[in-house]
Amino acid sequence: EPEVTQTPSHQVTQMGQEVILRCVPISNHLYFYWYRQILGQKVEFLVSFYNNEISEKSEIFDDQFSVERPDGSNFTLKIRSTKLEDSAMYFCASSDVWQLSSYNEQFFGPGTRLTVL
Amino acid sequence: DAKTTQPTSMDCAEGRAANLPCNHSTISGNEYVYWYRQIHSQGPQYIIHGLKNNETNEMASLIITEDRKSSTLILPHATLRDTAVYYCIVRVASGSARQLTFGSGTQLTVLP
Repeated sequence: EPEVTQTPSHQVTQMGQEVILRCVPISNHLYFYWYRQILGQKVEFLVSFYNNEISEKSEIFDDQFSVERPDGSNFTLKIRSTKLEDSAMYFCASSDVWQLSSYNEQFFGPGTRLTVL
Repeated sequence: DAKTTQPTSMDCAEGRAANLPCNHSTISGNEYVYWYRQIHSQGPQYIIHGLKNNETNEMASLIITEDRKSSTLILPHATLRDTAVYYCIVRVASGSARQLTFGSGTQLTVLP
């Protein structure tokens, strides 16, 4: 069964450093998302992406964050200058083209645990 | 998106049906009820969704009351692997890449 993959599974970085989290969405999907979950807290939406541009973003997704689809398979989340509070599990998700008669469920990857020291 | 209320936690004996309730009294006519779950530290997983009719798939059944103000997710024969946080989400279906808004969910613990 096709699945969303994410690398690395765990990233440790120093405060102020840039990190890039990578995701490979399901191959025929066209909608891409990033969510995060701080330990013990809710899953929070960060950004959605379609047709090479951001569709929606939350207040969390400030100028320190950016997303890119650099080629036909990868979808990346960049944090320019990490803060301690960016420590969280980051989940990538993808979904298919929306059809009137069906629900395009979001398929989530296993996550990248980001630890900022 | 309409607000949902779920119990914080529930237990269920292995092999028995797990019935997870969700209240969504402010749901509007074009909003669907979706259920996702998150097994510890993994990415959320879609379970089922419905508008007003009861729905069943290979994972679960969804019962929506006639007034649509509440619903129940039923796992007919719970296993230990069903231990997870279950999220009830109410929102419109959409043609755009719309976010999912996760609440605190219900921690279901299946006991041996």
